[in-house]
Amino acid sequence: GQQLNQSPQSMFIQEGEDVSMNCTSSSIFNTWLWYKQDPGEGPVLLIALYKAGELTSNGRLTAQFGITRKDSFLNISASIPSDVGIYFCAGLVDHNTDKLIFGTGTRLQVFP
Amino acid sequence: NAGVTQTPKFRVLKTGQSMTLLCAQDMNHEYMYWYRQDPGMGLRLIHYSVGEGTTAKGEVPDGYNVSRLKKQNFLLGLESAAPSQTSVYFCASSFRSWTRETQYFGPGTRLLVL
Repeated sequence: GQQLNQSPQSMFIQEGEDVSMNCTSSSIFNTWLWYKQDPGEGPVLLIALYKAGELTSNGRLTAQFGITRKDSFLNISASIPSDVGIYFCAGLVDHNTDKLIFGTGTRLQVFP
Repeated sequence: NAGVTQTPKFRVLKTGQSMTLLCAQDMNHEYMYWYRQDPGMGLRLIHYSVGEGTTAKGEVPDGYNVSRLKKQNFLLGLESAAPSQTSVYFCASSFRSWTRETQYFGPGTRLLVL
């Protein structure tokens, strides 16, 4: 079956540092999504990407849709303590049912 | 507008017991989903529904049943709970086929099966 691999699995960084994480797939996706899950909460959509090569920003977050359509990247600039959480990538599997497949997640810890 | 709500927030079951998890959304969304989240495995789709009265299997459907009798509600049932079903369960919804509004998640139900 389809799998999305995220790396790194976890990151421990200092406040103010930039963060990079990526997601790779064995299959092609036409839409990539990035979600953030705060501790004890459900995931919340951060950024959606619709075209290969697309670069989209949401505040300090920037995500890119890889040219091969098999990967995507998320960058966070100047991290702050509230960036703590788990970041998930997701690929849109089925346009007709909105089914997603999620990556394994990158856990981010930010130290002041 | 409460979004997606889940009941209960936490539950402890003994092996073999049954229970129903309730998901409700007030956004008039057509599509609803049930996921389970286990450490290191991300979110895996259990069952989903593309409209009232319809359901379909996801990636890990065994041991679960669902019903969508009303558009705003999606129920997940465990007929005979097993320790392997200890997990955090999330419900999600989206408006309809890819309207760039996907997916909205509830706060989760933490289930422990002893």
